[in-house]
Amino acid sequence: GAGVSQSPRYKVAKRGQDVALRCDPISGHVSLFWYQQALGQGPEFLTYFQNEAQLDKSGLPSDRFFAERPEGSVSTLKIQRTQQEDSAVYLCASSLIGNSDNEQFFGPGTRLTVL
Amino acid sequence: KNQVEQSPQSLIILEGKNCTLQCNYTVSPFSNLRWYKQDTGRGPVSLTIMTFSENTKSNGRYTATLDADTKQSSLHITASQLSDSASYICVVSEKGWGYDYKLSFGAGTTVTVRA
Repeated sequence: GAGVSQSPRYKVAKRGQDVALRCDPISGHVSLFWYQQALGQGPEFLTYFQNEAQLDKSGLPSDRFFAERPEGSVSTLKIQRTQQEDSAVYLCASSLIGNSDNEQFFGPGTRLTVL
Repeated sequence: KNQVEQSPQSLIILEGKNCTLQCNYTVSPFSNLRWYKQDTGRGPVSLTIMTFSENTKSNGRYTATLDADTKQSSLHITASQLSDSASYICVVSEKGWGYDYKLSFGAGTTVTVRA
């Protein structure tokens, strides 16, 4: 498939557990974004990578959230000691380069439910 | 804080009818505005993009308008089909060196088309 893929599609975690969410961007896309989408809301920016460099992590809500893209392709969003307020859909998007003229292509998201 | 407001929050229309969705934004300086369609359980997909100098853009039965002076945009769906049932999200990007990758998302309008 040529699109952005994410796994798992659904994740249920007990409060306090650590989770790892994976994103496979479109091959050749330099830029990668993570978003958090609460129910009934638009996505909110979390972090931005250009290749393996994390250029902006201003949207990460706490130090429990950590993202990496070590080889400039696949990215992982890790949430430590999950809380109920972390329940949301986590969307990954990629684009050729990072400026707004380039469309961001979104994956299907990972729905995280923290019990 | 939200710089993009959409209305209505939701609407129901009969198959074959038209509808118009509204978007007001305060993002400045303005770079471009996109309308995205998000099917349930899927990531958003771009429908149209408009820059400051464009005031209308069509994509099949979807027509977007932009008034950059009043900072308003609309998305008109003509002859609706059942497959148009989705959330439509207005997304505005800010023009600026180094950070114009950041997108501001509206909360979306949920459209339900009934037979």
